[in-house]
Amino acid sequence: AQSVTQPDIHITVSEGASLELRCNYSYGATPYLFWYVQSPGQGLQLLLKYFSGDTLVQGIKGFEAEFKRSQSSFNLRKPSVHWSDAAEYFCAVADTGRRALTFGSGTRLQVQP
Amino acid sequence: DAGVTQSPTHLIKTRGQQVTLRCSPKSGHDTVSWYQQALGQGPQFIFQYYEEEERQRGNFPDRFSGHQFPNYSSELNVNALLLGDSALYLCASSRTGSNTEAFFGQGTRLTVV
Repeated sequence: AQSVTQPDIHITVSEGASLELRCNYSYGATPYLFWYVQSPGQGLQLLLKYFSGDTLVQGIKGFEAEFKRSQSSFNLRKPSVHWSDAAEYFCAVADTGRRALTFGSGTRLQVQP
Repeated sequence: DAGVTQSPTHLIKTRGQQVTLRCSPKSGHDTVSWYQQALGQGPQFIFQYYEEEERQRGNFPDRFSGHQFPNYSSELNVNALLLGDSALYLCASSRTGSNTEAFFGQGTRLTVV
């Protein structure tokens, strides 16, 4: 069965600093990987996705993620964090049929002024 | 495009009652998935509907059932509500057969008292 681990429950960064959120997955075949962001009490918004091809993918709001098969990782990065980036971030993996999404437990990002 | 819409936004039910949640998918999408997100956790897959049939199911009891209508909208029904069913219920829609991602609604917050 597939699984996703987000090792960091809570991260605090200063505005303007760089950010990296970690994600490790377990899946037997080529994974389909996603990063979603959720503001309090809201639904999920897709930041970026990886299906195949270039292992460095660009997303919305200046985010990027790199797929590393050897490390089973799909870490999310942003060079300069804005106060509006404070939210909960979820990494997810989809099965071969791109049906059910399996989510990690999330990382809560706090941004200090 | 209205995106994925869910109703109601909030709901309070008494233990033992039954509840129905509704979802209208994004225009052009034919597949609907439901997720349960307990407080402080990542979403958990309940089931997915395609062509009015349940195509895949997560690890949820039979108290959770669903339906998809010819216009692709969907309902989630939960019988014999337990306190532990209190959660944010998220609907996601997607288009089968292509490299597209799932779009999420804002969710229905269910509180069981």
